[in-house]
Amino acid sequence: ETGVTQSPTHLIKTRGQQVTLRCSSQSGHNTVSWYQQALGQGPQFIFQYYREEENGRGNFPPRFSGLQFPNYSSELNVNALELDDSALYLCASNPGTGVYNEQFFGPGTRLTVL
Amino acid sequence: ELKVEQNPLFLSMQEGKNYTIYCNYSTTSDRLYWYRQDPGKSLESLFVLLSNGAVKQEGRLMASLDTKARLSTLHITAAVHDLSATYFCAVTNSGNTPLVFGKGTRLSVIA
Repeated sequence: ETGVTQSPTHLIKTRGQQVTLRCSSQSGHNTVSWYQQALGQGPQFIFQYYREEENGRGNFPPRFSGLQFPNYSSELNVNALELDDSALYLCASNPGTGVYNEQFFGPGTRLTVL
Repeated sequence: ELKVEQNPLFLSMQEGKNYTIYCNYSTTSDRLYWYRQDPGKSLESLFVLLSNGAVKQEGRLMASLDTKARLSTLHITAAVHDLSATYFCAVTNSGNTPLVFGKGTRLSVIA
């Protein structure tokens, strides 16, 4: 157990809908990152938040957006869902500083878009 | 742009045999991570390697890092079925930057 939780575990949506995925980071971790993992692929970086501000973004369109809250929780919002958005969505939290600054991953949310 | 390549992508091993997974990365990095992923599950951290020549071992797995060659290896000794999983290496540029992952090596250990 990493102390990082995500909800929901599974989700089924239809094309064009909107979805919100949630993550609760480890206490004290001020950085959260979101990754998309398509079937059979490595995780791809979506964006990172540090102290409630977006701190970096991968090659994802603006319909992927996020928020980080002071209580170590965060959200990933996806608008206008497309079939290719079907994937495992992982959040990871890390302290932001320190020698290892290791990212600890949550269990993921499996999103299926029909 | 930081890129990470792993090979092989698929590996079928007999129980009791040894094998090595390779991870190459394209630009200078200050941290390299190895993760394990079981089907349908999240990523489990195995090793964090920071410096040139770093070697870490846990059970039948040993990871090493050569920063000059931009190469890390994950060596499997006397494989057992429980090691069947997908193994990812991931690298960061520096500081609090995101991870760049390889495509993963799907390991299957057979009797």
